[in-house]
Amino acid sequence: DSGVTQTPKHLITATGQRVTLRCSPRSGDLSVYWYQQSLDQGLQFLIQYYNGEERAKGNILERFSAQQFPDLHSELNLSSLELGDSALYFCASSVEADTEAFFGQGTRLTVV
Amino acid sequence: QQQVKQSPQSLIVQKGGISIINCAYENTAFDYFPWYQQFPGKGPALLIAIRPDVSEKKEGRFTISFNKSAKQFSLHIMDSQPGDSATYFCAARNFNKFYFGSGTKLNVKP
Repeated sequence: DSGVTQTPKHLITATGQRVTLRCSPRSGDLSVYWYQQSLDQGLQFLIQYYNGEERAKGNILERFSAQQFPDLHSELNLSSLELGDSALYFCASSVEADTEAFFGQGTRLTVV
Repeated sequence: QQQVKQSPQSLIVQKGGISIINCAYENTAFDYFPWYQQFPGKGPALLIAIRPDVSEKKEGRFTISFNKSAKQFSLHIMDSQPGDSATYFCAARNFNKFYFGSGTKLNVKP
């Protein structure tokens, strides 16, 4: 158990809908990362937050947004969902912005 | 454009054999190279990592070999065991961003 908690574990929703994925980092970790893992794209970095501020941005679509709250948990919001958004979404956390990250077990999103 | 290229896509090794997974990169600004192991239904877990000022790092049966001039690094799993069967990802870091390889699915036959 990495100590990173993601909810929900599974999510099935229809195209055009909006969902929110939640991540609780390890105790003491200030940095949170979001990744998307799909069969044909591998593990893609989406976005990183450090102590509530956006630190780095990757291949995150405009339909997606994230934030990190004062208690350091983070949420990834996915809107106007498309079939191609079906994937595993992982959250990872680290103590500092440039130290190694520990991954949660992921949220499997299925868009039908 | 994939920043880190990983090969092979899949690998079958007999128990006791050596598993070798290779990664290559172009960006010389990368300053940290971790390897992750992922079992089905689980998140990736850090296995071993190396910095570019070191040519080799060994932890138990796992060894990273790093060739800075060739911009390549590889993971060697000695005495491979069925329990090592998993997907392995190499990664490289640049300014807080981690770029992952496409993954290698390792199957160790008993």
